[in-house]
Amino acid sequence: AQTVTQSQPEMSVQEAETVTLSCTYDTSESNYYLFWYKQPPSRQMILVIRQEAYKQQNATENRFSVNFQKAAKSFSLKISDSQLGDTAMYFCASGNTPLVFGKGTRLSVIA
Amino acid sequence: EAGVAQSPRYKIIEKRQSVAFWCNPISGHATLYWYQQILGQGPKLLIQFQNNGVVDDSQLPKDRFSAERLKGVDSTLKIQPAKLEDSAVYLCASSRRPNEKLFFGSGTQLSVL
Repeated sequence: AQTVTQSQPEMSVQEAETVTLSCTYDTSESNYYLFWYKQPPSRQMILVIRQEAYKQQNATENRFSVNFQKAAKSFSLKISDSQLGDTAMYFCASGNTPLVFGKGTRLSVIA
Repeated sequence: EAGVAQSPRYKIIEKRQSVAFWCNPISGHATLYWYQQILGQGPKLLIQFQNNGVVDDSQLPKDRFSAERLKGVDSTLKIQPAKLEDSAVYLCASSRRPNEKLFFGSGTQLSVL
């Protein structure tokens, strides 16, 4: 069975600083996808970044980037220049169909 | 492009009552998912449809939960009878194809008293 572990239940960061959220996963599949989703208080899950496991290059989306270590099954999210609007729950997810989600990390950006 | 629509936004019922949730995916999205998100946890897939067929319902408690997507467009999820442990947010998501970007609705928050 696939598992996704997010070891940091809560984190905080000062506005404009950089923060890294950790995620490890376990899968027996050879081809799979990895995602980070953001869930603000509105409850709507919003895709932050997506990585295809067969691609060695780390995905980036503006201020968001990942450090994908396939051998270690690690997929961390780095948020640069943190903004107040980044305050939310962040979920790591892996797999094909279905996606398996971690328990989330609550990120607070402090002014 | 309109997003994934869900209703109702909130629902409060007593245990043993029945409840239904509705989801209208983004137009053209063949794949539809229902997720259950219990407080403090990540979403857990209940059922996945490809058009009007079920792809995966392995984690759906079939003695009380049912779902349908008769015309391959909108979908309903029903719980009958509800238990206290069914209190959660029920999220609907859709994608053009499996493994592509999922678009989520705002969810229905269910409280079973």
